Amino acid sequence: DAGITQSPRHKVTETGTPVTLRCHQTENHRYMYWYRQDPGHGLRLIHYSYGVKDTDKGEVSDGYSVSRSKTEDFLLTLESATSSQTSVYFCAISDMRIGNEKLFFGSGTQLSVL
Amino acid sequence: AQKVTQAQTEISVVEKEDVTLDCVYETRDTTYYLFWYKQPPSGELVFLIRRNSFDEQNEISGRYSWNFQKSTSSFNFTITASQVVDSAVYFCALYQTGANSKLTFGKGITLSVRP
Repeated sequence: DAGITQSPRHKVTETGTPVTLRCHQTENHRYMYWYRQDPGHGLRLIHYSYGVKDTDKGEVSDGYSVSRSKTEDFLLTLESATSSQTSVYFCAISDMRIGNEKLFFGSGTQLSVL
Repeated sequence: AQKVTQAQTEISVVEKEDVTLDCVYETRDTTYYLFWYKQPPSGELVFLIRRNSFDEQNEISGRYSWNFQKSTSSFNFTITASQVVDSAVYFCALYQTGANSKLTFGKGITLSVRP
């Protein structure tokens, strides 16, 4: 299994509070992604990174920010959590080298915003 | 823009039946990759297969097989002689290559296999 760890695994927070989710990898992969999974929507891309300090928005980036100061860590921040951000969040990594193109996913973070 | 459509939302079969999960994609890229992932009730996402746009060979892995047809932009997944352990949500996904690579998922198909 790819070395990818998400923390925390579960979090309950209140509306309006800031929340940071962490994704840590030990594979030295270039690409890292944050997805959210909601019933009826599948997985939707929030933000992704293609290198240290290189990030870009996905399809559902409003209300989220990210940072990647080191290859191994990709942080997702909800500046002021809302109930609509209650979801399961998955981090993924890939190197997409020729012949090895695949994404590996973390175990997910269940976030509940009350 | 790229898009993945999994028109089936829920499928229920009896054990040992064959079942096909459909996936249709849209992309303007000539080079791309297609994936299937399985998400069992435990929640993790399990990689099943990757296919690049230049390889239209069908693939079989045990009870699983995949039919890739560029002419219809489809990448369908068949489970032969289904088992209860196949019960899961299955996602098809399209990977866009280039500097800003990203994976776009379909909404998933919930497969229930009854004993």
